[in-house]
Amino acid sequence: KNQVEQSPQSLIILEGKNCTLQCNYTVSPFSNLRWYKQDTGRGPVSLTIMTFSENTKSNGRYTATLDADTKQSSLHITASQLSDSASYICVVSLGGGSNYKLTFGKGTLLTVNP
Amino acid sequence: GAGVSQSPSNKVTEKGKDVELRCDPISGHTALYWYRQRLGQGLEFLIYFQGNSAPDKSGLPSDRFSAERTGESVSTLTIQRTQQEDSAVYLCASSKQGRAPEAFFGQGTRLTVV
Repeated sequence: KNQVEQSPQSLIILEGKNCTLQCNYTVSPFSNLRWYKQDTGRGPVSLTIMTFSENTKSNGRYTATLDADTKQSSLHITASQLSDSASYICVVSLGGGSNYKLTFGKGTLLTVNP
Repeated sequence: GAGVSQSPSNKVTEKGKDVELRCDPISGHTALYWYRQRLGQGLEFLIYFQGNSAPDKSGLPSDRFSAERTGESVSTLTIQRTQQEDSAVYLCASSKQGRAPEAFFGQGTRLTVV
């Protein structure tokens, strides 16, 4: 069964600290993986995309990594800000054929406190 | 329109009544997803449409839930005989076909069953 598991479920950190969110998937065949940020009361928005051949990609203070062999991804947030408080969702795209179905994780709820 | 549009944005209904939620995807997006998100919880997959293929209904929680979509146009999610546990935000997302589809979300419909 194609699944995406995220950990931790929730995380509280102090402003300025770093944190790392984890995503494990069993989706096969794998096409790509995206991290989404969902602010309270809004729909999720894509932060970054990782394809099979990419190991790491940065977007400002966000750095995503991908190990396609172990089927793990992480999202590292550096020097956290209050505005980083949100739910972070890992989404894996099923490859093959023409239908790239997306499988969503349940997300990690990050709270950044002053 | 420029983005995914959902209506209504808020809906309060009495227990036992039927409700219909609407999603207008981005033009040209062949894939459409419905998700449910209870307060403080992650996204719960409900149903997936891809073009004219048979929908994946594996996430619908009971036979009170149904959804329709004609071709690549508007989708409606219908909940019959609503229960209090149906109270949640219902999110719709659409994406193009292709190797690296990005899901674009609507703002959601907040359903409250009283």
